[in-house]
Amino acid sequence: AQSVTQPDIHITVSEGASLELRCNYSYGATPYLFWYVQSPGQGLQLLLKYFSGDTLVQGIKGFEAEFKRSQSSFNLRKPSVHWSDAAEYFCAVGASGGSYIPTFGRGTSLIVHP
Amino acid sequence: NAGVTQTPKFQVLKTGQSMTLQCAQDMNHNSMYWYRQDPGMGLRLIYYSASEGTTDKGEVPNGYNVSRLNKREFSLRLESAAPSQTSVYFCASTKGTVSQETQYFGPGTRLLVL
Repeated sequence: AQSVTQPDIHITVSEGASLELRCNYSYGATPYLFWYVQSPGQGLQLLLKYFSGDTLVQGIKGFEAEFKRSQSSFNLRKPSVHWSDAAEYFCAVGASGGSYIPTFGRGTSLIVHP
Repeated sequence: NAGVTQTPKFQVLKTGQSMTLQCAQDMNHNSMYWYRQDPGMGLRLIYYSASEGTTDKGEVPNGYNVSRLNKREFSLRLESAAPSQTSVYFCASTKGTVSQETQYFGPGTRLLVL
């Protein structure tokens, strides 16, 4: 079975600073990886996903993530954070075999200081 | 397209009361899901329906029942609410059951059980 760890419960950055949110997964084969964002009081929205090809994936709102098989990681990055990026971010891993339903991490809460 | 809609948005129940959470999607998706979200726990799958006419248990099904009423609608029922069921409930849908599928989430139902 697949699993995913988001080591940081909270991250605080200043507006305009760069951002990296960590995600580590456990799965024996090639995983399918997702980042979702949840704005306050809202449901989750897909930011980006990876399932094959180029390991650097571009998403919406200026986010990108890089799949690193050797480190079992899929970290989310943004070069310059805006106040509107304050939200909860969830990494999820899907299995190429077995259950098709992704497993979600516990989330990282991003706080943006003006 | 409204996407995924959920009713009600908020609900307060007393222990032992019953209620049904409604979910509908207008994207002609085949698969639907119910999750609960608790602080520090991420999203946990309660039940899912791969297609109309089928339902299966997820990670935390105890105390809940579901009905896939038709292709559009998937309801979650609490027969006898308990304080441990205080949570935010999200419904989601996917077009199919492939592991790369993007999940589309509703805005959530915030439930408080006293």
